[in-house]
Amino acid sequence: AQSVTQLDSHVSVSEGTPVLLRCNYSSSYSPSLFWYVQHPNKGLQLLLKYTSAATLVKGINGFEAEFKKSETSFHLTKPSAHMSDAAEYFCVVSDRTKTSYDKVIFGPGTSLSVIP
Amino acid sequence: EAGVVQSPRYKIIEKKQPVAFWCNPISGHNTLYWYLQNLGQGPELLIRYENEEAVDDSQLPKDRFSAERLKGVDSTLKIQPAELGDSAVYLCASSFRGGEQFFGPGTRLTVL
Repeated sequence: AQSVTQLDSHVSVSEGTPVLLRCNYSSSYSPSLFWYVQHPNKGLQLLLKYTSAATLVKGINGFEAEFKKSETSFHLTKPSAHMSDAAEYFCVVSDRTKTSYDKVIFGPGTSLSVIP
Repeated sequence: EAGVVQSPRYKIIEKKQPVAFWCNPISGHNTLYWYLQNLGQGPELLIRYENEEAVDDSQLPKDRFSAERLKGVDSTLKIQPAELGDSAVYLCASSFRGGEQFFGPGTRLTVL
């Protein structure tokens, strides 16, 4: 069975310092993994995705994530936080089920605050 | 290109009343999803359509919730009757053949 754990419900960083948002998953097969961002009163937007190609994935706005199968992790990082990065971030796993369709599970989210 | 369109954006109703949400996916996207998002939580899948077929409705509370996508394009999600606990944001997303999902802005439902 699939599951997604986001280890921190809230992360606070100073502007210009690195960001680390942690995600661990469990999967029965070879999953696809995603990070989505949700700004207040706006729709969810895809940041990046891993689909069994390169394990280090680069996304929009300077974010990247590394797939580590041995650790079942897919942590999201950014070298330098910007005020506009303040938002809710969701780690998502998509995995095959007994049917031919993938099952998509969202993590509970991590709220990122950026301090000026 | 227009994104996923949802209406209404906000809805306030009294408990036991019916309510309906509408979603128009991105043109050409055959996969459509309805999610429920409670405050401070991640979206939870209610139903997934491949064209006009509901391929995953295991999390849809079928005693009060129903959905349809008759022509495989736009979709309607209905609640009848609404309960206080149904207050949430209802998100619609679409994708091409189950790929990257594009989300609409959501409908915020308040049940009084």
